[in-house]
Amino acid sequence: GAVVSQHPSWVICKSGTSVKIECRSLDFQATTMFWYRQFPKQSLMLMATSNEGSKATYEQGVEKDKFLINHASLTLSTLTVTSAHPEDSSFYICSEQVGRDTEAFFGQGTRLTVV
Amino acid sequence: KQEVTQIPAALSVPEGENLVLNCSFTDSAIYNLQWFRQDPGKGLTSLLLIQSSQREQTSGRLNASLDKSSGRSTLYIAASQPGDSATYLCAVNGDYKLSFGAGTTVTVRA
Repeated sequence: GAVVSQHPSWVICKSGTSVKIECRSLDFQATTMFWYRQFPKQSLMLMATSNEGSKATYEQGVEKDKFLINHASLTLSTLTVTSAHPEDSSFYICSEQVGRDTEAFFGQGTRLTVV
Repeated sequence: KQEVTQIPAALSVPEGENLVLNCSFTDSAIYNLQWFRQDPGKGLTSLLLIQSSQREQTSGRLNASLDKSSGRSTLYIAASQPGDSATYLCAVNGDYKLSFGAGTTVTVRA
């Protein structure tokens, strides 16, 4: 299956600062990548869909000015959490999927802790 | 909106016992259903993918069934081992979006 590399695997930042998370497709040229958030003991929730060369599509309730997504190349999508607050502390994970009905492959996830 | 439910939320069994994990979903208009394994603090590992036209998929000790009309899927793990301890997630793919259940946390006791 596809290999998706995500880093950092964990990060601690101070409240008010910004954090960038990278998601890289190592063997596919994934036009579309997806960003999810997972709170403890809860399910993964889709935040946004990232398309190469165009603006990301955000799910309802997700602040696009707070969670900046850039997909400048076929193999790299980044999520920047701007002006982070403790309530943004969560597990963020990306995935790629080549086609509408194909298998989804996930990165290793990033544990963000805002202090 | 697709709702995905996994029952039970947690399961503890002795080594060697077979595991049965259930997943139900409300909207049968899906492309496929995927089962994942998640270890604590880690990403998701894809276990099985069942297309909407398929009834089951098998990989080693794992077997997953899909009844799209009734909105159900079941993951069977035969002869469980302590290394099978993890959280198992099912995800339903509807038009390029995955909807996840909350998962079943499995503990296999040696």
